[in-house]
Amino acid sequence: GENVEQHPSTLSVQEGDSAVIKCTYSDSASNYFPWYKQELGKGPQLIIDIRSNVGEKKDQRIAVTLNKTAKHFSLHITETQPEDSAVYFCAPSRNAGNMLTFGGGTRLMVKP
Amino acid sequence: DAGITQSPRHKVTETGTPVTLRCHQTENHRYMYWYRQDPGHGLRLIHYSYGVKDTDKGEVSDGYSVSRSKTEDFLLTLESATSSQTSVYFCAISDLGTKSYEQYFGPGTRLTVT
Repeated sequence: GENVEQHPSTLSVQEGDSAVIKCTYSDSASNYFPWYKQELGKGPQLIIDIRSNVGEKKDQRIAVTLNKTAKHFSLHITETQPEDSAVYFCAPSRNAGNMLTFGGGTRLMVKP
Repeated sequence: DAGITQSPRHKVTETGTPVTLRCHQTENHRYMYWYRQDPGHGLRLIHYSYGVKDTDKGEVSDGYSVSRSKTEDFLLTLESATSSQTSVYFCAISDLGTKSYEQYFGPGTRLTVT
């Protein structure tokens, strides 16, 4: 099965700084690469995703970059705000969105 | 928010007892999923359904069964609960259409097996 690793496991930044979380996967057939945000006591929520035919996607302060050759993709958050504090999960899939395999999560803390 | 409810939201049960968790959706999405979340493991897929009476196993299906008799309901059953099944269980739904592969998650059920 797919082996997914996220780094770092915790990340603390000052408000306004940038944050980068990296996800490494093992299945070369993966074709869908989402990032989910989970706030305390809630279910995960999709914040951005990218498909294998695209190298980068941006949505306001959030971007995802994909390197299929090296089998990793990264979440970039610029101008971080306290409300960005949460746990972030990558969840690559080889079935176009079905059967996601979640990474272990990254706890992001944004200090005011 | 997508119309997904889970019941119960919290449950404490004893080892060896049967437990059924319910996921109900009002979105008419075809795909439904059950995940468990444990510290350090992210979310792991237990079972999923791709239509009424169509289900398949996920990564950690041992000790669990599912049923889907209606589009809107997906049940997860622990036939004989064990302490290792203490976890937070999330249901998710998806349409997996050409526009979006997004999975929408419910609020979760916290299950404690004593």
